[in-house]
Amino acid sequence: GESVGLHLPTLSVQEGDNSIINCAYSNSASDYFIWYKQESGKGPQFIIDIRSNMDKRQGQRVTVLLNKTVKHLSLQIAATQPGDSAVYFCAENRYNQGGKLIFGQGTELSVKP
Amino acid sequence: EAGVTQFPSHSVIEKGQTVTLRCDPISGHDNLYWYRRVMGKEIKFLLHFVKESKQDESGMPNNRFLAERTGGTYSTLKVQPAELEDSGVYFCASSQDVRVSGGNTIYFGEGSWLTVV
Repeated sequence: GESVGLHLPTLSVQEGDNSIINCAYSNSASDYFIWYKQESGKGPQFIIDIRSNMDKRQGQRVTVLLNKTVKHLSLQIAATQPGDSAVYFCAENRYNQGGKLIFGQGTELSVKP
Repeated sequence: EAGVTQFPSHSVIEKGQTVTLRCDPISGHDNLYWYRRVMGKEIKFLLHFVKESKQDESGMPNNRFLAERTGGTYSTLKVQPAELEDSGVYFCASSQDVRVSGGNTIYFGEGSWLTVV
């Protein structure tokens, strides 16, 4: 079956370090990916997205990398802060299926002060 | 502008009881989605409304779940009778366009946290 999954369920980093969260997908036809941040007691919050015609996209302190050859994407957070502690999900947006999102398992990021 | 709102935020019910979750999407958003996350697992798609019509309900677990969106505004998701495995957080999301692009995103509510005991 098709899936979007993550390599690691938890990640602990020191404040100020860079964080890298990985995600693998199996559907080679996937062409639009989104990273979401879910803080405790809140809904998923859009962070950044990337289309399959791009390899890299940068936002404020975040960068998403897409490697279509190995069907892998990653989220890099620079200078990680305590406020970055949350569960991060990658998701594929299937706009040809009504725009539904196929999520990965999620990585819980803990930032140690 | 109000975001996606969900009610109740938390609910604890006994196995066999009924619970109805409500979602009010952002005004003007024709697309409304329900998702569920059970503890420690990924967020899974349940169904998608376009206005009042069910566009895709392929993710609904079984016939104990019933979703409606009368009038194409708010939506309800009823679980009857609830089972222990239904515990989790139910997210509602809405969007204007099915294609997410930059600022045109899918907006999520804060979720309804359901515990079945």
